[in-house]
Amino acid sequence: DQQVKQNSPSLSVQEGRISILNCDYTNSMFDYFLWYKKYPAEGPTFLISISSIKDKNEDGRFTVFLNKSAKHLSLHIVPSQPGDSAVYFCAASAPGTSYGKLTFGQGTILTVHP
Amino acid sequence: NAGVTQTPKFRVLKTGQSMTLLCAQDMNHEYMYWYRQDPGMGLRLIHYSVGEGTTAKGEVPDGYNVSRLKKQNFLLGLESAAPSQTSVYFCASTRGRSSPLHFGNGTRLTVT
Repeated sequence: DQQVKQNSPSLSVQEGRISILNCDYTNSMFDYFLWYKKYPAEGPTFLISISSIKDKNEDGRFTVFLNKSAKHLSLHIVPSQPGDSAVYFCAASAPGTSYGKLTFGQGTILTVHP
Repeated sequence: NAGVTQTPKFRVLKTGQSMTLLCAQDMNHEYMYWYRQDPGMGLRLIHYSVGEGTTAKGEVPDGYNVSRLKKQNFLLGLESAAPSQTSVYFCASTRGRSSPLHFGNGTRLTVT
């Protein structure tokens, strides 16, 4: 039972345009959400997070939106750059769980074309 | 500052063989985790530790054992490897919930 789903295996965008990566979750207990970026042959690196008490968090070119009623979050990258090409994982955690006990989505491969 | 270091980077095992994956972190983090990544599955938690001398099961613990004898090290053992354990294994650590996980670069394990 996949509690965190990224339904788009891949996304291709042109440099300078907006990239929108989506993530859906089913567990209403999740209260903290994160996005990780992963390059080949490297471990995932933290990108941005959002608490369930917020609906938006921004960090430079990256913005995460949370729609709790729809159990949906999205990551916007504006403007997209070729160096953003990577696999993006969304992840979620529930209160009372160990700090790093995350449930990950399957990942979305983002390709940004020059 | 190396962060999280995993050894080895690659390993090929025959079915039934055993091995230990080593994870070392130099950030003085209390919490350490072992995840596996499989195509189409994302990362799944195998075992974790909330401090030296403690371990707990994650989502997919069967066939694995762990030990945290020192705060900086977290070992993942496969007692009798199976082809289903072919995967990329990631170790991670964190100091707390407001801090993100720091991952190592992974160990690619193939069991034939």
